[in-house]
Amino acid sequence: RKEVEQDPGPFNVPEGATVAFNCTYSNSASQSFFWYRQDCRKEPKLLMSVYSSGNEDGRFTAQLNRASQYISLLIRDSKLSDSATYLCVVNGDDKIIFGKGTRLHILP
Amino acid sequence: EPEVTQTPSHQVTQMGQEVILRCVPISNHLYFYWYRQILGQKVEFLVSFYNNEISEKSEIFDDQFSVERPDGSNFTLKIRSTKLEDSAMYFCASSEAYRGRAIGETQYFGPGTRLLVL
Repeated sequence: RKEVEQDPGPFNVPEGATVAFNCTYSNSASQSFFWYRQDCRKEPKLLMSVYSSGNEDGRFTAQLNRASQYISLLIRDSKLSDSATYLCVVNGDDKIIFGKGTRLHILP
Repeated sequence: EPEVTQTPSHQVTQMGQEVILRCVPISNHLYFYWYRQILGQKVEFLVSFYNNEISEKSEIFDDQFSVERPDGSNFTLKIRSTKLEDSAMYFCASSEAYRGRAIGETQYFGPGTRLLVL
């Protein structure tokens, strides 16, 4: 099993729709989790941290399921500007691991 | 809003040459990192640095690589003898705190240096 695994997509979603993607991780001792977004040829930018109780920031909701070892990201009312690659980041005991990312295209 | 800066934005070098990539982390941050991203691939951790020494490094960070904080603001990555496979985008990042300390461990990335080795 890969350390951090994401569906590469692309997810092609009409503007205004809701989209969700998951990320699975293999190390049960992982301590903290993040979603970053990365635009083409740009640096990763923090979207949100993922807390055990789940957290919401505007249209974005992140969830953590430690038992099944996955995190999720839900985007509601998607905008054209949400088009990007979404990177799952998992911090373990001795490693900081990025997923390969999920590409999202919002269609007008 | 404070940000991480990196220079140069692009660097082209000949195989076997030494390159130094420079970063200025956010001023009150204590932890610094280098990552690389080969075109079309995932972001890979290279090294973390705290209190003037390496905290952790990945298997990618071999003897060809070194990091330094030569003064109070700059953080550099040196590649001694570049290889073709070193061609990538190199990102510097910084954070207030380290992993496992949820508050302040968020890493802020610089815009990257695109390195091309010919």
